[in-house]
Amino acid sequence: SYELTQPPSVSVSPGQTARITCSGDALPKKYAYWYQRKSGQAPVLVIYEDNKRPSGIPERFSGSSSGTMATLTISGAQVEDEADYYCYSTDSSGDQRVFGGGTKLTVL
Amino acid sequence: QVQLVESGGGVVQPGRSLRLSCAASGFTFSRHGMHWVRQAPGKGLEWVAVIWYDGSKKYYADSMKGRLTISRDNSKNTLYLQMNSLRAEDTAVYYCVRDSIEVTGTLDYWGQGTLVTVSS
Repeated sequence: SYELTQPPSVSVSPGQTARITCSGDALPKKYAYWYQRKSGQAPVLVIYEDNKRPSGIPERFSGSSSGTMATLTISGAQVEDEADYYCYSTDSSGDQRVFGGGTKLTVL
Repeated sequence: QVQLVESGGGVVQPGRSLRLSCAASGFTFSRHGMHWVRQAPGKGLEWVAVIWYDGSKKYYADSMKGRLTISRDNSKNTLYLQMNSLRAEDTAVYYCVRDSIEVTGTLDYWGQGTLVTVSS
C-alpha cells in the first residue's frame, strides 16, 4: 500500500524556520496537502495543492513540492504553531487517500 | 453550522462486527463526498474510506479492505461504516469527515469521533 513518510519530530526556537518534509512516490504527479492538529482539536488545513494557503492561515506557512518530496515551511515559527502536522495525498490512481505518519513540531 | 456526529462505537470482541453512523446537519449532505478517518491510541491519522456524494464510488485503505463497507443514506443525511472481523489493531477513534467542494481534494469538517475498542 502507498505510504507518505514524515520525520516524527522537528524542533525549533521561536522565530526560526521550521521545515517538515513528506516523501512519497506519487508526489511528482499528485498534490500534497498539509493539516495542523493541535491537541484535542480537529485538524486544520494549512496548505493545499502543494503551495496554496487557505484564507485565514498566516503567511508564515508555505508549501513546496519537488520530485517525490513535499515540504511545509513555517517561517518565523511561533509558540502557538506547536502541533502535529500531517501531509495528505493520494496514491497514483487517485483512489486511495493517505496521511503521512505525522510530525510533532516543538517550538521552544 | 456544519455538524457531524458519530455514534456506534464501543467495546467489541475480536472477530465481531460493528456499524458506525455519522449524522450530518447544517449543509447539503448529498453534495459532498464523505470519509472515515481513524486514529489509534498514540498514533497518527489514518485514512480509512471514502464514498462519493451519490454513493457511486467507494474506496478503502488497503489495511482494512475486504472488512469494510462504507455507505450513505442521503435521505437521512447519514454516513455509515460497517466493520467486520475486527482486530485489536482496529482500536481507534473513528472520525467522520466531509470532503470540501470549495477546495477540491481537501477535508474541511471533522466530527468529534467515536471510540472503537477491540478487546476480549
